[in-house]
Amino acid sequence: EAGVAQSPRYKIIEKRQSVAFWCNPISGHATLYWYQQILGQGPKLLIQFQNNGVVDDSQLPKDRFSAERLKGVDSTLKIQPAKLEDSAVYLCASSYRQGQFQETQYFGPGTRLLVL
Amino acid sequence: KQEVTQIPAALSVPEGENLVLNCSFTDSAIYNLQWFRQDPGKGLTSLLLIQSSQREQTSGRLNASLDKSSGRSTLYIAASQPGDSATYLCAVNFGNEKLTFGTGTRLTIIP
Repeated sequence: EAGVAQSPRYKIIEKRQSVAFWCNPISGHATLYWYQQILGQGPKLLIQFQNNGVVDDSQLPKDRFSAERLKGVDSTLKIQPAKLEDSAVYLCASSYRQGQFQETQYFGPGTRLLVL
Repeated sequence: KQEVTQIPAALSVPEGENLVLNCSFTDSAIYNLQWFRQDPGKGLTSLLLIQSSQREQTSGRLNASLDKSSGRSTLYIAASQPGDSATYLCAVNFGNEKLTFGTGTRLTIIP
């Protein structure tokens, strides 16, 4: 079974530039998550999709961050314009919702972003 | 505020020893708790998932326990090996359909 795919793996940009990340979840997984992990911290949820609808985006800085999941499969996360504090690893995860318990989340390798 | 705490931030242990990693959380009304492993430059790998109705879960040399009343979970690693060196993250589902992560414990097994 193929895992969660993310690209690019690394990205270096200057502040005020734009950047986009791509995620392809495990086939058949209805729920997709984007996390931000700043160095030395645990991942923080940015946005959660159930199929192509947003379940939770309460911690997404909507003035600069946007995300979409067209057709309920792949997803993109965009930052425009980037700030220095956006330097982090952006992790994508997916899970197969079944029953009333949240299933295990499977994580991709992440995209490491450095904003100069 | 629902928070997850992991202490210590780093731990070094000689190879072959048994060890315990700790996780504490502020709200006892949890849905489930997961332990993850993160290797440098890589994503997270789920190790064990404990539902709120369970007291412990075991997988190989790993055993995770859950005590909701005290707001604590432990991850026990038996007979540690150099390959166990990684950062271990505890994550709690407080029933709001998202995971709240601790800051992790960076484990180093000394050969």
